[in-house]
Amino acid sequence: GDQVEQSPSALSLHEGTGSALRCNFTTTMRAVQWFRKNSRGSLINLFYLASGTKENGRLKSAFDSKERYSTLHIRDAQLEDSGTYFCAALDRGSALGRLHFGAGTQLIVIP
Amino acid sequence: NSKVIQTPRYLVKGQGQKAKMRCIPEKGHPVVFWYQQNKNNEFKFLINFQNQEVLQQIDMTEKRFSAECPSNSPCSLEIQSSEAGDSALYLCASRTGWDNQAPLFGEGTRLSVL
Repeated sequence: GDQVEQSPSALSLHEGTGSALRCNFTTTMRAVQWFRKNSRGSLINLFYLASGTKENGRLKSAFDSKERYSTLHIRDAQLEDSGTYFCAALDRGSALGRLHFGAGTQLIVIP
Repeated sequence: NSKVIQTPRYLVKGQGQKAKMRCIPEKGHPVVFWYQQNKNNEFKFLINFQNQEVLQQIDMTEKRFSAECPSNSPCSLEIQSSEAGDSALYLCASRTGWDNQAPLFGEGTRLSVL
């Protein structure tokens, strides 16, 4: 979306390595959500943050509303982490939390 | 397991036909959203409801779609006359309205217009 800039658009990682995805926002957002699209095309919720950081296994996410960005860190990447990742953010001005989505990052984990 | 139930999972229609999809939001979630995700992974907000009332909708939805969220019945989104460009994944999400609680997404209805 035009309010969310997600990078990189594509990423290749060797198994066991790590990297970070980033979403920059053109305006102040209230919260951010990170998803992974599964093989059936459904969105799997990874994190939802209104501030600060959250960690779950090999994934960690941070959200800074004031600085207008969020990150998703993946460490010790595994083959099953391959897929498309999206961030989505809640606009401060929108009625009851309309989400603005990033364009996605296609992650390929290489053996 | 998703707590937002969308049916059908797949829908195939010819151009000009009506296409109807349904969504049962999570219990206790008064706010419902519909998004369209196209083959390029681009998301488009379509409409949202609070209880039975429409809060916001885009022009396309107002002109070509019929949507409702009646009490005690599933929400629905219906394209009145399907076009090839409507082929997409339609996602329903529900939330409480509180910022500290994440919206829940259904698995989507994948519409193919032939």
